[in-house]
Amino acid sequence: GAGVSQTPSNKVTEKGKYVELRCDPISGHTALYWYRQSLGQGPEFLIYFQGTGAADDSGLPNDRFFAVRPEGSVSTLKIQRTERGDSAVYLCASSLNLQGEGYTFGSGTRLTVV
Amino acid sequence: GENVEQHPSTLSVQEGDSAVIKCTYSDSASNYFPWYKQELGKRPQLIIDIRSNVGEKKDQRIAVTLNKTAKHFSLHITETQPEDSAVYFCAASSSGGSNYKLTFGKGTLLTVNP
Repeated sequence: GAGVSQTPSNKVTEKGKYVELRCDPISGHTALYWYRQSLGQGPEFLIYFQGTGAADDSGLPNDRFFAVRPEGSVSTLKIQRTERGDSAVYLCASSLNLQGEGYTFGSGTRLTVV
Repeated sequence: GENVEQHPSTLSVQEGDSAVIKCTYSDSASNYFPWYKQELGKRPQLIIDIRSNVGEKKDQRIAVTLNKTAKHFSLHITETQPEDSAVYFCAASSSGGSNYKLTFGKGTLLTVNP
């Protein structure tokens, strides 16, 4: 596609529920990243995929967070037992290669846990 | 891990004046330093970047300087216009030879008054 697409754009969920956030990267981009941006802060790295495998998941805050990219294209970020502190904008980005060529962010999913 | 400090947190200038935003980083292995502009509710967009093998890069009204010895880099915007108003983030790659993992500063809210 023309850009990185993220769905839904907004998600409101109740505390304790499970949510899935989807990212569709730019066609041909092998690298995919997830970041979390809290209000008034810069994006914080969560996880990085090269192809289908999670090459670096050091930014995931705890085991309630998990992400997959089964076919090396679309990725899903999954959050179990959501907490109010999980409320943030979740940004996805993709790049052509490991050197960050063409690094492009999506518009994000605004997650609100009530 | 990498730590990026950004100053000032807010900056207000008159149209036509220059604006300077400064960042410092902690990891001497970082070698890629992008700057992003983020308008309210929008995705971060890359405006300029610099790699560690150069000290300065310019693109029309925007320039970035890098001092690897002191571990700081700066964004310079000349002849500011109201449409330059946004939050600006600096970032540093913290992944050694790869540039996939960006550590962001907390952002600078730039307001250009007409």
